[in-house]
Amino acid sequence: GAVVSQHPSWVICKSGTSVKIECRSLDFQATTMFWYRQFPKQSLMLMATSNEGSKATYEQGVEKDKFLINHASLTLSTLTVTSAHPEDSSFYICSAPKGKGTEAFFGQGTRLTVV
Amino acid sequence: DAKTTQPPSMDCAEGRAANLPCNHSTISGNEYVYWYRQIHSQGPQYIIHGLKNNETNEMASLIITEDRKSSTLILPHATLRDTAVYYCIVRHRPMDYGGSQGNLIFGKGTKLSVKP
Repeated sequence: GAVVSQHPSWVICKSGTSVKIECRSLDFQATTMFWYRQFPKQSLMLMATSNEGSKATYEQGVEKDKFLINHASLTLSTLTVTSAHPEDSSFYICSAPKGKGTEAFFGQGTRLTVV
Repeated sequence: DAKTTQPPSMDCAEGRAANLPCNHSTISGNEYVYWYRQIHSQGPQYIIHGLKNNETNEMASLIITEDRKSSTLILPHATLRDTAVYYCIVRHRPMDYGGSQGNLIFGKGTKLSVKP
């Protein structure tokens, strides 16, 4: 199946710093990618939709100035958590639909811990 | 998209079949049933999907009732590595490259524990 890769797998950062998470589609092009967040013992919640060549669309309650999304190419979307706080500590997951296919492929996730 | 109802947890003995139910009584005619699973601290993994016919692949079988109001995911010979949260998701056929209908809406799923 198609492969979506996230980097890093885990990161620890200090409060107030920014962290960038990359999501790459390795063997297909993705004009759209999705970013999810998952808190412990909870389900995945969609944060935003990343669109290649245009602005991302954010779900209600997600601060676009805090979670910066850039989809600069057909194989790469990045999520930058700016001025991170401990409450931003979570598991961040991206996904990409493969063209006209009906499957969504997920990255392995990034565990962010803000101390 | 239609809502789904799944039991919060299930146990299964290793080597036995795991049958995970899902109710989706409000499913509409052009909505598909998808199953994903999430092993602890990993991203979700696609398992199978179907519209109205039963489906089988190398991972599992999907049995959809004739009225399409419920379905069952069957793992024929569960192993310890099948321990995960299993999500049943009902959705319309996605648009070509996603957009607002391209994302998946996850419920709480069923935590399957496969025991030796």
